Amino acid sequence: SQTIHQWPATLVQPVGSPLSLECTVEGTSNPNLYWYRQAAGRGLQLLFYSVGIGQISSEVPQNLSASRPQDRQFILSSKKLLLSDSGFYLCAYATGQGGPDTQYFGPGTRLTVL
Amino acid sequence: AQKITQTQPGMFVQEKEAVTLDCTYDTSDPSYGLFWYKQPSSGEMIFLIYQGSYDQQNATEGRYSLNFQKARKSANLVISASQLGDSAMYFCAIHFNKFYFGSGTKLNVKP
Repeated sequence: SQTIHQWPATLVQPVGSPLSLECTVEGTSNPNLYWYRQAAGRGLQLLFYSVGIGQISSEVPQNLSASRPQDRQFILSSKKLLLSDSGFYLCAYATGQGGPDTQYFGPGTRLTVL
Repeated sequence: AQKITQTQPGMFVQEKEAVTLDCTYDTSDPSYGLFWYKQPSSGEMIFLIYQGSYDQQNATEGRYSLNFQKARKSANLVISASQLGDSAMYFCAIHFNKFYFGSGTKLNVKP
C-alpha cells in the first residue's frame, strides 16, 4: 500500500532562520509530488510540483525552494524565513498511472515563524 | 478567474440529517476531474470522492455522493445521515492541467 510521510509535524522558527521540510512516499514509483501551503482558515495554495527527479515547477515566487533528490523524496527549503511563511504545509502525491489523478496528502507540518 | 467556488463558508446540520455542500467550477477543458476532500481539525486532507467529466453516473462512496450537473458546472457533495465525526472543513477541487482548490466549507454537525 502507498503511504506518505512528512516531518517534522510542528516547527517554531525565528525570522531569518533556514528551513527544511521533508516528504517521502512509499509504495509507488515515479509519483507526481506537490507542496501546498495553507494559511489559517484558508484554502490550499500550490507552491511547487515535481513530475520526476530534479524536475521542479514553481507556482508562486517567494523565498522558498523545493528539491527532489530521489524519486520518492521531496524537500521544501528556505534560506531565510519570513513571518509570512507561517502556515500549514502539506505534501501530496499522485500516481498519475491511469484513472483519476487523485492527490493523496501527508499529515502536514505546522510552521510558526516568530 | 476562479476555477472553483464554494459559496458556503459555514454550514450547520443536525446529526442524522443529510447536508449538501455546494461547489461550482469553471473550465473550458472537456476533460477534467472533480474531487472532494475532508480536513478535520487535525489538519490532514482526506480524499472522499471523485467524479470524472465523462462519467455518466454520479459518484457515490458510502454516505458521500457527488451531485454532478455538468451543464450547470456544479459538483455538490451530499453527505447522508450526518455524524458528529463529519464536522470538518470540506474542500472541492478540480483537476485539468493542474489542481485547483476551493476556499472550503466548514461543516458543524449538531447533536
